[in-house]
Amino acid sequence: GQQLNQSPQSMFIQEGEDVSMNCTSSSIFNTWLWYKQDPGEGPVLLIALYKAGELTSNGRLTAQFGITRKDSFLNISASIPSDVGIYFCAAKPGGGGADGLTFGKGTHLIIQP
Amino acid sequence: DTGVSQDPRHKITKRGQNVTFRCDPISEHNRLYWYRQTLGQGPEFLTYFQNEAQLEKSRLLSDRFSAERPKGSFSTLEIQRTEQGDSAMYLCASSLRLAGDNEQFFGPGTRLTVL
Repeated sequence: GQQLNQSPQSMFIQEGEDVSMNCTSSSIFNTWLWYKQDPGEGPVLLIALYKAGELTSNGRLTAQFGITRKDSFLNISASIPSDVGIYFCAAKPGGGGADGLTFGKGTHLIIQP
Repeated sequence: DTGVSQDPRHKITKRGQNVTFRCDPISEHNRLYWYRQTLGQGPEFLTYFQNEAQLEKSRLLSDRFSAERPKGSFSTLEIQRTEQGDSAMYLCASSLRLAGDNEQFFGPGTRLTVL
């Protein structure tokens, strides 16, 4: 089945540092989404990408849809304590019918004081 | 609060019992999705509705699971004869299906523990 390989699995950084994480697949997807999840809560949508090569920003967050349609990355600049959490990539193949998202296993971001 | 809501937030049950969860989507959203998330994993798709029609079911949705959306608004997910392996977070999401719009917004989830 379709799988998203998300890396790194966890990141230990210091406040103020930039963060980069990515998601790859052997399958082509037509939509890529990035979510953040806090403990005990549902995922919160950060950025949605719809076109290959698209680069989209949301505040300190920037995400890109890879031109091969098989990957995406998320950057966070100047990290702050509230950035702590688990970041998930999600993707959808597009076309008619199928609308469920496939998720990666997440990148756990930990900020050291 | 105009986001997706789920009830209950937590449910503890004994093996073999039936449980039912409710999801209220964002009011103008016509698509509603159910996902399951186990510890250390990303959410896994179970099923989705467009209005009251159930359009897709995952292979994860065994015959002990049934979902309904009778009036195209709220939805329920029932698990019959629960097993310990059903312990997970059950997440609901909704979206407004328009051309090019694939953004799904999630609720806070229902944490199920089967003893």
